[in-house]
Amino acid sequence: AAGVIQSPRHLIKEKRETATLKCYPISRHDTVYWYQQGPGQDPQFLISFYEKMQSDKGSIPDRFSAQQFSDYHSELNMSSLELGDSALYFCASAPLTDSPDTEAFFGQGTRLTVV
Amino acid sequence: AQSVTQLGSHVSVSEGALVLLRCNYSSSVPPYLFWYVQYPNQGLQLLLKYTTGATLVKGINGFEAEFKKSETSFHLTKPSAHMSDAAEYFCAVSEGMDSSYKLIFGSGTRLLVRP
Repeated sequence: AAGVIQSPRHLIKEKRETATLKCYPISRHDTVYWYQQGPGQDPQFLISFYEKMQSDKGSIPDRFSAQQFSDYHSELNMSSLELGDSALYFCASAPLTDSPDTEAFFGQGTRLTVV
Repeated sequence: AQSVTQLGSHVSVSEGALVLLRCNYSSSVPPYLFWYVQYPNQGLQLLLKYTTGATLVKGINGFEAEFKKSETSFHLTKPSAHMSDAAEYFCAVSEGMDSSYKLIFGSGTRLLVRP
């Protein structure tokens, strides 16, 4: 079965440009999480969506926005890019369930380099 | 607020030796605890998790971890290291079911395996 797909895998942008990262969750997963991992850093939670609605928000800059579409894919939009936005951006998907056995699966990430 | 502390940014062991990666957490509610492994330029792969029940949790690739509430610890062990275990390991905590994959990560431990 296909896993979480993120595109593009690599992206190079200049300062002050915009970038759009896409995440395609596993089939029948209705919850999506976005994380940012800076160089040598641990992943930081940015934002999550359930059933196309924002469910939680972490340390996401105001320059960033995200949404989840009717097919459950999600996009992270980043404007006025700064050098410090250079990072690996992960998406994870999970089914919303009461079972503690549920598992979220991470994509391979999009590496964004701002120059 | 929750937090995770991983003691030792780098751990070096010989092939065949015991692997011990330390993780301590802070949480005001019963936590869900996770260990993830990350290979270079790859996404995060779940090794194991503790939610409820048995405190000794067995994961993939021969790893296991024990939840010790009195010590607020969730250390990761493997009896015999293999060269393929060389990677970055992240301990993570969540607040439980409603936000099960809004994770707080530790700073990571890089495991080096010497031949």
